[in-house]
Parts: sequence; C-alpha cells; structure tokens
Amino acid sequence: EAGVTQFPSHSVIEKGQTVTLRCDPISGHDNLYWYRRVMGKEIKFLLHFVKESKQDESGMPNNRFLAERTGGTYSTLKVQPAELEDSGVYFCASGNDRLITGGNTIYFGEGSWLTVV
Amino acid sequence: GEDVEQSLFLSVREGDSSVINCTYTDSSSTYLYWYKQEPGAGLQLLTYIFSNMDMKQDQRLTVLLNKKDKHLSLRIADTQTGDSAIYFCADYGDYKLSFGAGTTVTVRA
Repeated sequence: EAGVTQFPSHSVIEKGQTVTLRCDPISGHDNLYWYRRVMGKEIKFLLHFVKESKQDESGMPNNRFLAERTGGTYSTLKVQPAELEDSGVYFCASGNDRLITGGNTIYFGEGSWLTVV
Repeated sequence: GEDVEQSLFLSVREGDSSVINCTYTDSSSTYLYWYKQEPGAGLQLLTYIFSNMDMKQDQRLTVLLNKKDKHLSLRIADTQTGDSAIYFCADYGDYKLSFGAGTTVTVRA
C-alpha cells in the first residue's frame, strides 16, 4: 500500500512567486492534515480536512495560503505570493478514522521542502 | 494539545544511553508520541504511550510518562550513529497533533 506522497519534494522560488504543493493521502483516508516546520521551530498545525471539508483551519497563517481538497482525494496547498518567512518544510498527513482517537493512526509524508529567496 | 516544549540539542557518545525530555501543558491529552526525523527525510512514528500508562518499553526505546508533572521522556539504550536525528515530542488533542520544536541528537564516536 502506498504511503502519503507529497510533491514537489524540494522547491526554490523567488519572493513574490506562487508555489503549489500537492499531497496524495493513503487511499481511503478521509482525514488529511497539513503541518509546517520553519527552521529550528516546532512543527505547527495548519489545517485539517475531513473528506473535502475543512474541519479546522485555525493554523493557517494568513490569506496568502489556500488549501483545497476537491473531491476528497488529493489536496493542494498554494502560497501566493510567497514571502521569505514561508520557507520551511511542509508536511502532509492522513488518517483513516472518522473520529481519530489517537495520533497513532496518522501517517506522515516525506515533506515538501520550500525555500523562498 | 497545546504547548509542547523540549530541549533543542543533545550530544551523546556511541554506546551510551540518550535521554530526551519533553513537557506538555494539555492535561486532557490521551496519547503522547515520539517522532523521528532523519536528515532530509519525513516524520517517522517511533513510539507512543497512552496517558494512563507510566512506562512503555519497545526494544531499545523506553518511554516514561509523569502525568502529574506533564513530563515525557524517551530513553534510547546503546545509542548508535543511525540514531542521529531530530526527535519530536507530540501530544494529541482537539483532533490534531501538537509538536515540540524537536531535539537534535548527535551521536559521536
């Protein structure tokens, strides 16, 4: 069974440009999460989808970030326009419980490493 | 899950034990986790402990939980060079994981 896959694995863009990150969850997982880690800081929650609906987007930093999950399968996270402080690694995770009772059922991807110059 | 804090760096000699400490604030956390991130790689779930347990052992890994003090630790016995990585403590609450900043463990020969 394929794990959570993310694309691109690495991206270097200039300030002001747009980047779109993609996440393919494990097949059949209703829950999809985006997290971010900027250098040396904690891994911070961005948002949580249940199927195509945004369950919790309290961690989204500002309106330059837009997440979508049309059809409840893969998800995209767009940053437009990118700023220097957006650099970091963006993790996607998925889980298969309707009501996840513990994080042991949440599986992470390898991350998309974004550098804004 | 709310604030999760851990020390940032740990240097240990190969063959010694490593102890990584973590404190958390959310008393309602049902599970607490340790994740490992090797250089250039993703997050790997190492182990987890249910909040009504004090200790869990899994091969070279021992997790200790002091729920009263909201303190979690991870002990790695016989630390090897392959254990060099960033270790993240996390708790689960409000349907999401909350992570600490990570402890970078460096294993020296």
